Amino acid sequence: NAGVTQTPKFRVLKTGQSMTLLCAQDMNHEYMYWYRQDPGMGLRLIHYSVGEGTTAKGEVPDGYNVSRLKKQNFLLGLESAAPSQTSVYFCASSNGGTLGGYTFGSGTRLTVV
Amino acid sequence: AQRVTQPEKLLSVFKGAPVELKCNYSYSGSPELFWYVQYSRQRLQLLLRHISRESIKGFTADLNKGETSFHLKKPFAQEEDSAMYYCALSGSGGSYIPTFGRGTSLIVHP
Repeated sequence: NAGVTQTPKFRVLKTGQSMTLLCAQDMNHEYMYWYRQDPGMGLRLIHYSVGEGTTAKGEVPDGYNVSRLKKQNFLLGLESAAPSQTSVYFCASSNGGTLGGYTFGSGTRLTVV
Repeated sequence: AQRVTQPEKLLSVFKGAPVELKCNYSYSGSPELFWYVQYSRQRLQLLLRHISRESIKGFTADLNKGETSFHLKKPFAQEEDSAMYYCALSGSGGSYIPTFGRGTSLIVHP
């Protein structure tokens, strides 16, 4: 069981470039989430999904888009990267119940120059 | 709206000292509360959930609904406890969107 896998682990982008971060989970979880982690700001929710084909905005959605075409995958897209999007991005998933908590990926460290 | 407050950005103690990481929450219903730990440059891992009333790695946390708190405690800190700790709240009744606090960095000195 791999749990939650994020790719890539590191990436450097130039301002204006686009990229997609992939999150894959093999636990058959319904709920998936994308967070960004910045010093002193903790974890802030970007977008989330409560099931295949559904997405919703979180706390800081601007500049990001997401898609959940398959239950196991949750993609985070940056159409035109900005330096303010330099951050560590974490994906998480849950089964919708609280007993299991939330399972996190290992993170993607993105730098926009 | 649900909110989680961790008032301390940094907590620095010596090995063997007691540790208390504070977490206060705001939620109108019955909350589900968690503590997550993140060791240096690693993924977040579930440490405790209030519903299980368990003790993990010597840490305990009790939900105090009157004070709306879920403080994390350990009687004797170890150097390997040095990490970032996040308190998280998930609303009950079908809302499984967790809100995280800003985190407390715990440093345990030898």
